[in-house]
Amino acid sequence: DGGITQSPKYLFRKEGQNVTLSCEQNLNHDAMYWYRQDPGQGLRLIYYSQIVNDFQKGDIAEGYSVSREKKESFPLTVTSAQKNPTAFYLCATTSWQGREQYFGPGTRLTVT
Amino acid sequence: KQEVTQIPAALSVPEGENLVLNCSFTDSAIYNLQWFRQDPGKGLTSLLLIQSSQREQTSGRLNASLDKSSGRSTLYIAASQPGDSATYLCAVRWNAGGTSYGKLTFGQGTILTVHP
Repeated sequence: DGGITQSPKYLFRKEGQNVTLSCEQNLNHDAMYWYRQDPGQGLRLIYYSQIVNDFQKGDIAEGYSVSREKKESFPLTVTSAQKNPTAFYLCATTSWQGREQYFGPGTRLTVT
Repeated sequence: KQEVTQIPAALSVPEGENLVLNCSFTDSAIYNLQWFRQDPGKGLTSLLLIQSSQREQTSGRLNASLDKSSGRSTLYIAASQPGDSATYLCAVRWNAGGTSYGKLTFGQGTILTVHP
């Protein structure tokens, strides 16, 4: 079954703790992305990676970190430096051929 | 500045109506345009992808058009159903050189409600 998986679906953390969101894909796409979605704010790009062992900051990278050690995986760490971490996080991939974007089901993070 | 705007922000129609959602963009140098659907609490589902060389794409009751010269795309939904209720987003991928995938810019979305 091809696609993008994100886990967990819901995540709860205490303020001051780092948390890592998982994103795995079996679409064989080189490019992977992390977005944040807040009510009324639309989608905002956090980080993206076009190839293994390389990644770039998006529009709102402060307080986040990523790694890309394998083509299939692009985990996002929300650090304690992120001031407003509660949000819906979406992982996506892009095919080189056609440049079509695909999204995972999302992880809702709540920090209290 | 490369921007994408969707109008209206929200739309409520009775079941069975044909409807049009609008997307406008500020730069004609686009690589492609993609329409997505998002249900509450879910990820985005790709509906239609139009490459810059194409004028329209169709899938079932959905038809998307692209006019680069005027900076507009429309998503036409025929014979709307309550199950079509969702947020619809358009996204423009801008041209980029070399090995870059090009930046993707999203509109704010149109919230569609189809009532029985």
